[in-house]
Amino acid sequence: ELKVEQNPLFLSMQEGKNYTIYCNYSTTSDRLYWYRQDPGKSLESLFVLLSNGAVKQEGRLMASLDTKARLSTLHITAAVHDLSATYFCAVDKSGNTPLVFGKGTRLSVIA
Amino acid sequence: NAGVTQTPKFQVLKTGQSMTLQCAQDMNHNSMYWYRQDPGMGLRLIYYSASEGTTDKGEVPNGYNVSRLNKREFSLRLESAAPSQTSVYFCASRDSNKNIQYFGAGTRLSVL
Repeated sequence: ELKVEQNPLFLSMQEGKNYTIYCNYSTTSDRLYWYRQDPGKSLESLFVLLSNGAVKQEGRLMASLDTKARLSTLHITAAVHDLSATYFCAVDKSGNTPLVFGKGTRLSVIA
Repeated sequence: NAGVTQTPKFQVLKTGQSMTLQCAQDMNHNSMYWYRQDPGMGLRLIYYSASEGTTDKGEVPNGYNVSRLNKREFSLRLESAAPSQTSVYFCASRDSNKNIQYFGAGTRLSVL
C-alpha cells in the first residue's frame, strides 16, 4: 500500500527566511506532485516531477525528486507572506492510478 | 474556462437524509475522482472513474455510491447521511497528457 508522509505538518517561518518541506513515500514511484491550498479554497497544481533528479522552480519555490530515497523536497527561499498556505505532496504509480496525498504542511509566514 | 464544476457549494443535512453531489468537467478528461478532506487527514479518495462506464473504490468508500453518467459528469451519492460524513468534498479530473489533476471548488457538507 502506497503511503505518503510529509513533515513538518505545521511550519511557522519569518519573512525572508529559507525552509524545506519534506515528502517521503513508501513504494517505488518516479511520479510526484505538489499542490497548494489556500484557506477555504481548492487545490492548485504547483509542480509535476516525473523522473529521478527532476527539479522544478517557480518564483521562491523549488521542488526536487530523489526516487532512490523516495523523497521529494519543496524548498522555500526568502519567504513572503503570500506563500502562507497548505502544501500537499501526492504520489501515484502510473498515470492510470489515483494520487495518494500526504496530510499537508500548513505554512504560515510571519513578519 | 469552467474547468471542474461542483454543486452545491454548501449543504446541511439531517442524519438519515440522502443527497447527491454533482460534478462536471469540460476538459474532455477520462479520469475523475471524489475526495473528502478532513482536518489533519489530508485528502482521502472515496471513489474514482478511470474512464466513462467504469468506477472503482478508493480508500474510504463506505456510505457512498457514485455514477459516471457520461464523460463529463461524475456524481457522488450519500444514501443515508451520518455525522461522520461531515466534511469538505472535492471532485477532480485528470489531464493524462500533462499529468495534472484539476480540482473543483469543493462542497462543504454538514450532517447534523
